[in-house]
Amino acid sequence: GESVGLHLPTLSVQEGDNSIINCAYSNSASDYFIWYKQESGKGPQFIIDIRSNMDKRQGQRVTVLLNKTVKHLSLQIAATQPGDSAVYFCAENPMNTGFQKLVFGTGTRLLVSP
Amino acid sequence: DAGITQSPRYKITETGRQVTLMCHQTWSHSYMFWYRQDLGHGLRLIYYSAAADITDKGEVPDGYVVSRSKTENFPLTLESATRSQTSVYFCASRHGPNTEAFFGQGTRLTVV
Repeated sequence: GESVGLHLPTLSVQEGDNSIINCAYSNSASDYFIWYKQESGKGPQFIIDIRSNMDKRQGQRVTVLLNKTVKHLSLQIAATQPGDSAVYFCAENPMNTGFQKLVFGTGTRLLVSP
Repeated sequence: DAGITQSPRYKITETGRQVTLMCHQTWSHSYMFWYRQDLGHGLRLIYYSAAADITDKGEVPDGYVVSRSKTENFPLTLESATRSQTSVYFCASRHGPNTEAFFGQGTRLTVV
């Protein structure tokens, strides 16, 4: 499959550990954020989203934290599994386009060792 | 089948040729997007559309043309392909401005 992002920052963890992937976003007026997972050779898949009126949202094994003061987003994955190995992207809706655009960060590769 | 589909999945073309990548979604989503993804880069927005007949440039629009005559289709045309346009192209759609976007499987384009 396609090898995406050879030069991406990489986070290596052991199976069962908790993983934290960070993202700095650019537009202080963005009001909606999404985390995507991309496996090799596939399109990005939605994981979880959060609106700017929240600072935390939980899903199944995942939690997203939003710190608007420092324009920082993080994705926490609990009990990381080998199937979580992928590239993870954050995306934001910049207000200067009427929230129509969806702009992606550069991504982080997560490697999970058994 | 319901969803978003791209065609072709793989394409090899020569420099200077015109090539069109197709994107079709069955949800009647208002918003559609085209991104390119290169090694060492994330997803860069080429063009997007808020509705039929409404399109706008993204971050890297040069060399590309889009149209949206029908809500469900959003073709991307490379008017005169260059080697720098070798990339994986992803189409996406979403219902509204603050909703998740769904992606197609991608088209790997090689310009030789």
